[in-house]
Amino acid sequence: AQSVTQLDSQVPVFEEAPVELRCNYSSSVSVYLFWYVQYPNQGLQLLLKYLSGSTLVKGINGFEAEFNKSQTSFHLRKPSVHISDTAEYFCAVSKSNTDKLIFGTGTRLQVFP
Amino acid sequence: GAVVSQHPSRVICKSGTSVKIECRSLDFQATTMFWYRQFPKQSLMLMATSNEGSKATYEQGVEKDKFLINHASLTLSTLTVTSAHPEDSSFYICSARGGWDRGMNTEAFFGQGTRLTVV
Repeated sequence: AQSVTQLDSQVPVFEEAPVELRCNYSSSVSVYLFWYVQYPNQGLQLLLKYLSGSTLVKGINGFEAEFNKSQTSFHLRKPSVHISDTAEYFCAVSKSNTDKLIFGTGTRLQVFP
Repeated sequence: GAVVSQHPSRVICKSGTSVKIECRSLDFQATTMFWYRQFPKQSLMLMATSNEGSKATYEQGVEKDKFLINHASLTLSTLTVTSAHPEDSSFYICSARGGWDRGMNTEAFFGQGTRLTVV
């Protein structure tokens, strides 16, 4: 079975500071990894995804994530956050040969001025 | 990216009535659609997976007679909450994946969500 752990339920940070949102996964097979962002009362928007190839993945809005197979991690980073980045962030995993997305519990990023 | 439209965005209904939520893929053929439920400040819980033209596969603990899913075409799936009760109040989100021929199988596109309130 697959699972996703987001270690931090909330991450407060000041504007223009760097941020890292942590995600660890467990799976007995190779996986696809995703980060989604959710603004209040809205659906999910894909930030970035890792399917194969380069372990450093760049996404939208200046976010990037690095796949680390040995540590089974896929942490999300941004070098300088904006107020508008305040939202809920979900890490998710999917098997290569099935369609289901398994989500982590989410991390609330709160950016302060 | 592809667009998935979910309707309505908000609905309030009386206890005991049924509510239908629509999920449409606007610019691609969605061979698979997923329905999630999200409680306040919690993660998304997969309710069921539906493939066009076949019965939905429900996750453990989800009542299939209460949450009716229909995926009659490649662009439309519906979730009907039957005999709704206050405990069914939640945020429901659909997502859709296309087929391999469109190169879209690896990404799920999400609708905007539906806030259901049962009074």
